[in-house]
Amino acid sequence: EAGVAQSPRYKIIEKRQSVAFWCNPISGHATLYWYQQILGQGPKLLIQFQNNGVVDDSQLPKDRFSAERLKGVDSTLKIQPAKLEDSAVYLCASRAGLAGSTSTDTQYFGPGTRLTVL
Amino acid sequence: AQSVAQPEDQVNVAEGNPLTVKCTYSVSGNPYLFWYVQYPNRGLQFLLKYITGDNLVKGSYGFEAEFNKSQTSFHLKKPSALVSDSALYFCAVSRTTSNTGKLIFGQGTTLQVKP
Repeated sequence: EAGVAQSPRYKIIEKRQSVAFWCNPISGHATLYWYQQILGQGPKLLIQFQNNGVVDDSQLPKDRFSAERLKGVDSTLKIQPAKLEDSAVYLCASRAGLAGSTSTDTQYFGPGTRLTVL
Repeated sequence: AQSVAQPEDQVNVAEGNPLTVKCTYSVSGNPYLFWYVQYPNRGLQFLLKYITGDNLVKGSYGFEAEFNKSQTSFHLKKPSALVSDSALYFCAVSRTTSNTGKLIFGQGTTLQVKP
């Protein structure tokens, strides 16, 4: 079974530029998460989708971050404009179960995109 | 508020010796607890989880973890460490009442196994 795919793996941009990350979850997984992992910290949830709907975006800086999952499969996360403090690894994860069901199933993570903002 | 604490930034152990990576949590209601491992330039890899039942959970690569409700702990253990176990380990919790599966992570513990 293929895992969660993410691209690009690495990205370097100047501050105030825009950037987009792509995620393809495990086939058939209904729930998709984007996490931000700053160096030396654990991952923190940015946004959660169930199919193509947003379940939780309370921690997403909506003035500069946006995300979509239009067909309930692939997802993109965009930052515009980027700030120095956005330098981090952006992790995508997916889970088979739906939000609203007992969340006992496992989240599986992609390799992440390492963003450096100069 | 939910939180996870990993009190040790780094754990050093000699190959062949037992290892323990500590985790304590704070969550309202019953927790679901997870351990993940992260190798350099890789994503998080699932090791094991506690949902309910037996307090001792066995996972991948010989790792196990013990759930202790009274001490709100979920320490990761392995009887005999390998050099290849050297990596960054994360403990995480999700709240059973949240229904979203959102994970709250600790800050991570670097495990260094020396030959």
